[in-house]
Amino acid sequence: AQSVTQLGSHVSVSEGALVLLRCNYSSSVPPYLFWYVQYPNQGLQLLLKYTTGATLVKGINGFEAEFKKSETSFHLTKPSAHMSDAAEYFCAVRKNTGFQKLVFGTGTRLLVSP
Amino acid sequence: EAQVTQNPRYLITVTGKKLTVTCSQNMNHEYMSWYRQDPGLGLRQIYYSMNVEVTDKGDVPEGYKVSRKEKRNFPLILESPSPNQTSLYFCASSSIVRPDDYGYTFGSGTRLTVV
Repeated sequence: AQSVTQLGSHVSVSEGALVLLRCNYSSSVPPYLFWYVQYPNQGLQLLLKYTTGATLVKGINGFEAEFKKSETSFHLTKPSAHMSDAAEYFCAVRKNTGFQKLVFGTGTRLLVSP
Repeated sequence: EAQVTQNPRYLITVTGKKLTVTCSQNMNHEYMSWYRQDPGLGLRQIYYSMNVEVTDKGDVPEGYKVSRKEKRNFPLILESPSPNQTSLYFCASSSIVRPDDYGYTFGSGTRLTVV
């Protein structure tokens, strides 16, 4: 069965600093991978996804993630944090064999200080 | 605009009083699902549906019911709510037949408080 581990329930950065949110997955077959963002009092919004092709995926708001099969990782990065990036971030995985439901990590709350 | 609509956004109710949270999507998605979100536990799936009249239990189905009589609607029913069902609830939908569309679209959430 697939699973997702997000290291760190909270990550704090200063405005302008690098953002790195970690996600490791386990899957018996090549996966589809997703990052979602949840702003306060809102639903989850798709940030970016990896299905096939290029392993470096760019998403909205300057975020990107790299699929590393050898490390079973899909870490989310942004070169320079902005105050508006403060939110909760969820990594999710599903098998790429037909339709399978998404399995979510427990989330990482990103705190950005001035 | 493609969206999943949940109602109500906020609900306070008393123990034992039946309630329904509605969910509707306009993307002709086959798959719909309900999640609850609790601090430290992330998203946990309650029920899901692969198509009309096809529903199945997720990870935490106890105390909930669903129905899928129409493709666009997937209501969540709490027959006798209890305080441990106080939570933030999300409805989500996805295409089954379009692989590039395999991400979920989420509703804005329903914050339920049972007193």
